[in-house]
Amino acid sequence: DAGVIQSPRHEVTEMGQEVTLRCKPISGHDYLFWYRQTMMRGLELLIYFNNNVPIDDSGMPEDRFSAKMPNASFSTLKIQPSEPRDSAVYFCASSLSRTGHPQYNEQFFGPGTRLTVL
Amino acid sequence: KNQVEQSPQSLIILEGKNCTLQCNYTVSPFSNLRWYKQDTGRGPVSLTIMTFSENTKSNGRYTATLDADTKQSSLHITASQLSDSASYICVVSARNTNAGKSTFGDGTTLTVKP
Repeated sequence: DAGVIQSPRHEVTEMGQEVTLRCKPISGHDYLFWYRQTMMRGLELLIYFNNNVPIDDSGMPEDRFSAKMPNASFSTLKIQPSEPRDSAVYFCASSLSRTGHPQYNEQFFGPGTRLTVL
Repeated sequence: KNQVEQSPQSLIILEGKNCTLQCNYTVSPFSNLRWYKQDTGRGPVSLTIMTFSENTKSNGRYTATLDADTKQSSLHITASQLSDSASYICVVSARNTNAGKSTFGDGTTLTVKP
């Protein structure tokens, strides 16, 4: 398996532009997570899905952020309009649940997308 | 409020030496604790996962310990190698919560010098 695939690996855009980050989870995994990592705040969970359904989006910073998972093999994180403070590395991770014990899932992270908003 | 604190923030050691990283947490009720290794420019990779009943777990030269009473964990690296240079992140999950409700530490940056 190729692991979690994210694209693009680097994105540079100007303030106000729309940004779309993409993720392909590991085949067969039923959980998908979006994280943001900055020097100041470390790793932060933004949103996660179970079987393509958003379960908890309380980490999404504001309405400018939205995430979708139209099928089991694809998810997007969109920022519109983007702002300089959105500059960060965005990670996607996926996991496979063990029946009755979702908290034991090992999460497999993608390589991340480094976003720079000028 | 659930918190995870790691120390030291950064550490420099010579190749071949041992080191220990610390993680203190206030997450309750406790479910499991993971240690991740994150190389520069890459995503975190799981090293170990420990549940309430486990107090030691090894993965090669990495040994994690857990004291659920004092809510402390440590990650011991033996005979360090240059490739051990990375950030080490402690992540604690609570029981009876959604799968995503984990609390992340800020990480310890380890630099191994020749």
